[in-house]
Amino acid sequence: GAVVSQHPSWVICKSGTSVKIECRSLDFQATTMFWYRQFPKQSLMLMATSNEGSKATYEQGVEKDKFLINHASLTLSTLTVTSAHPEDSSFYICSARATAAGYTFGSGTRLTVV
Amino acid sequence: KQEVTQIPAALSVPEGENLVLNCSFTDSAIYNLQWFRQDPGKGLTSLLLIQSSQREQTSGRLNASLDKSSGRSTLYIAASQPGDSATYLCAVVGDKIIFGKGTRLHILP
Repeated sequence: GAVVSQHPSWVICKSGTSVKIECRSLDFQATTMFWYRQFPKQSLMLMATSNEGSKATYEQGVEKDKFLINHASLTLSTLTVTSAHPEDSSFYICSARATAAGYTFGSGTRLTVV
Repeated sequence: KQEVTQIPAALSVPEGENLVLNCSFTDSAIYNLQWFRQDPGKGLTSLLLIQSSQREQTSGRLNASLDKSSGRSTLYIAASQPGDSATYLCAVVGDKIIFGKGTRLHILP
């Protein structure tokens, strides 16, 4: 079945540094990928929609200069959290539409900024 | 604006019981509805996908129903097991995917 691979699964970084999260579709091409953030005991909130070969579409309230999204190929989208701060600590998950199979999600990345 | 509500927020039941998780949504213009399972600190595992033209889907001990007109979906789990303990998320797919806050299920051995 459709698999989305997300790396790293967890990362700890110092405040002010940048962190890159990768999301790959392993056995299908994903022209569109989605990035979510989930705070403890909260639901997933859509941050942005990543489109291959074009600029990402950000949800209201999400800083595009802070959360840089690149979707350079049909199988890879990256989310870079720039100048991370403790309030950016969260669980980040990517997903892609795998045609009739619905949406497939990555395993998530736990980001802790210290 | 689509809003998705899941009831109950948490549920603890003894092993072996049948149970029902509820999901309601405000905008019936959806493409499909998907139920997911999330274990603590983990990603999402897709359980069942119901297309907007379908009424229900079944997989093993799981059965999900969809009533678009009333904006409701239920996930039925038969003969619950401790391994079913997780958070169950309902996601409504329209122009965007909107998630409910989930139901935290705990099956008591």
